[in-house]
Amino acid sequence: DTAVSQTPKYLVTQMGNDKSIKCEQNLGHDTMYWYKQDSKKFLKIMFSYNNKELIINETVPNRFSPKSPDKAHLNLHINSLELGDSAVYFCASSEYTGLPNSPLHFGNGTRLTVT
Amino acid sequence: GIQVEQSPPDLILQEGANSTLRCNFSDSVNNLQWFHQNPWGQLINLFYIPSGTKQNGRLSATTVATERYSLLYISSSQTTDSGVYFCAVETTDSWGKLQFGAGTQVVVTP
Repeated sequence: DTAVSQTPKYLVTQMGNDKSIKCEQNLGHDTMYWYKQDSKKFLKIMFSYNNKELIINETVPNRFSPKSPDKAHLNLHINSLELGDSAVYFCASSEYTGLPNSPLHFGNGTRLTVT
Repeated sequence: GIQVEQSPPDLILQEGANSTLRCNFSDSVNNLQWFHQNPWGQLINLFYIPSGTKQNGRLSATTVATERYSLLYISSSQTTDSGVYFCAVETTDSWGKLQFGAGTQVVVTP
């Protein structure tokens, strides 16, 4: 009965490769996000989708391409991976009613290591 | 953009002790949330508290929006309270974007 689930949990790959992370939520929320947590544990928003529509894109390199096939899924594809992409990537979701966000629910994270 | 400062950066507690974590922010907010990241990396939402006071078991939080701060109280701490506590805020200018503080690392020793 996991609310926000993302796969894989760990991802180790070489520079230059392309990889994807998948996320699914069963909370019925309209809004989904990708956050990046760096080695100092700082969390920063990357993207947000509301009902399959991109609403936030936080100056992320265009090697990162989110895709939302439906409002319960948000995937992240990364092209030409670089060493600096190593981080923990969190998917999250929240209700969206046009009012200030309701509580944010995170997935368990995907630890990406680029060698 | 808004500045979010959390203090202290690190806290070591003996089991059973009480503590207060603080979050200061530099602008008016319409959304403030507290999260706990446990030692396994999971991020758990503790409170959605843009104003007022809430309690959940041994944890409680108070946000004084007019004075731009929020406090998280941990009472009778347990080793399972260890981890990093994050405060995150959203302003009307940054609608939909939660801005996170740097966190408070808490270690509760037996």
